[in-house]
Amino acid sequence: GQNIDQPTEMTATEGAIVQINCTYQTSGFNGLFWYQQHAGEAPTFLSYNVLDGLEEKGRFSSFLSRSKGYSYLLLKELQMKDSASYLCAVRTDTGGSYIPTFGRGTSLIVHP
Amino acid sequence: DTEVTQTPKHLVMGMTNKKSLKCEQHMGHRAMYWYKQKAKKPPELMFVYSYEKLSINESVPSRFSPECPNSSLLNLHLHALQPEDSALYLCASSQDQGAFTDTQYFGPGTRLTVL
Repeated sequence: GQNIDQPTEMTATEGAIVQINCTYQTSGFNGLFWYQQHAGEAPTFLSYNVLDGLEEKGRFSSFLSRSKGYSYLLLKELQMKDSASYLCAVRTDTGGSYIPTFGRGTSLIVHP
Repeated sequence: DTEVTQTPKHLVMGMTNKKSLKCEQHMGHRAMYWYKQKAKKPPELMFVYSYEKLSINESVPSRFSPECPNSSLLNLHLHALQPEDSALYLCASSQDQGAFTDTQYFGPGTRLTVL
């Protein structure tokens, strides 16, 4: 099975930087995704890491360390609209299928 | 077109009703998924269709019946649901579930309330 752990809730100030961590324990690791989900809406794809290192996309960056079973999502220059749930999803190879399992999500609250 | 569409957006039904949820994508994706999401919980996988064949059924009760009429459409037929089935039902699609770099794209969801 898989064990994915994220903080339940974080708060930050508009304009600041926040780092959301995700740790996982799994076999057959095949990639890690970050999704953003606003309340009552669908998850939207943010980033994908399969090799160690940092992937940067504008204000959002995602880091992966496979040996440590660890990833983080870094959000810079926070805006009020960044208030949302951030889901870490780990994909494993299960007999030729690569389907991600979602963590519980981190609810980020950005205040003025 | 990078959009997955779902209808209806909201659905209220009684426990004896029969209704269907619909999902459509025109990205040429060959894998389609149904997820159920309760408030403040992550999405839970229900069914996966790959190349129009059911490849994964996560022990979902038979009151939920999926159907994939063609590669662009995915339905979820509902019958004799329980109030605890009330949730956000998300459809997703991806290029190929067996592909190393496969990424899922989600529709906006159907908010289902069972009375």
